Amino acid sequence: GENVEQHPSTLSVQEGDSAVIKCTYSDSASNYFPWYKQELGKRPQLIIDIRSNVGEKKDQRIAVTLNKTAKHFSLHITETQPEDSAVYFCAVYNTDKLIFGTGTRLQVFP
Amino acid sequence: EAGVAQSPRYKIIEKRQSVAFWCNPISGHATLYWYQQILGQGPKLLIQFQNNGVVDDSQLPKDRFSAERLKGVDSTLKIQPAKLEDSAVYLCASSLDFVVEQYFGPGTRLTVT
Repeated sequence: GENVEQHPSTLSVQEGDSAVIKCTYSDSASNYFPWYKQELGKRPQLIIDIRSNVGEKKDQRIAVTLNKTAKHFSLHITETQPEDSAVYFCAVYNTDKLIFGTGTRLQVFP
Repeated sequence: EAGVAQSPRYKIIEKRQSVAFWCNPISGHATLYWYQQILGQGPKLLIQFQNNGVVDDSQLPKDRFSAERLKGVDSTLKIQPAKLEDSAVYLCASSLDFVVEQYFGPGTRLTVT
């Protein structure tokens, strides 16, 4: 089955810096790659997603890049703010289900 | 639009007891999911419904977990009997169809003592 690895597990940045989180997957048939943000005690919420026919997608300070050949995709957050502090999960859609990564705890210090 | 509703929000039970969780998806969403999220981990899919049919239940521990989605709307997830390792947040999610955004409910935090 599909295997999703996410790195790093924790990430600390200064406010205004950029943050990058990377996920790798194993099955080339996977075709949808969402990123979810989960604040402490809250539900996961979709922040951006990308499909396998696209290499990059941006939404204001957030971007996702996909390298299908290398089977990895990354979340990029620019000009980080304290409210970006949360756990971020990547996910991979494979055989009709989403498989989540293990999460990255991002801390943005003022 | 109203979001995914779940109840109860918190539940504490002793091992070997039974517990049931309820989920009401967003109106019109055909696909409903139950996830288990253990502290410090990502959500793990337990079961997925399309309308009232099961699409995937390969990771549902069927000796103790059961779920149903009668009439293709609300769903219940039951654990009987509970074990200590079942302590987790149980998240319900729904989507219009496959391969689109999933909307999560607030979850039920289960503690088994």
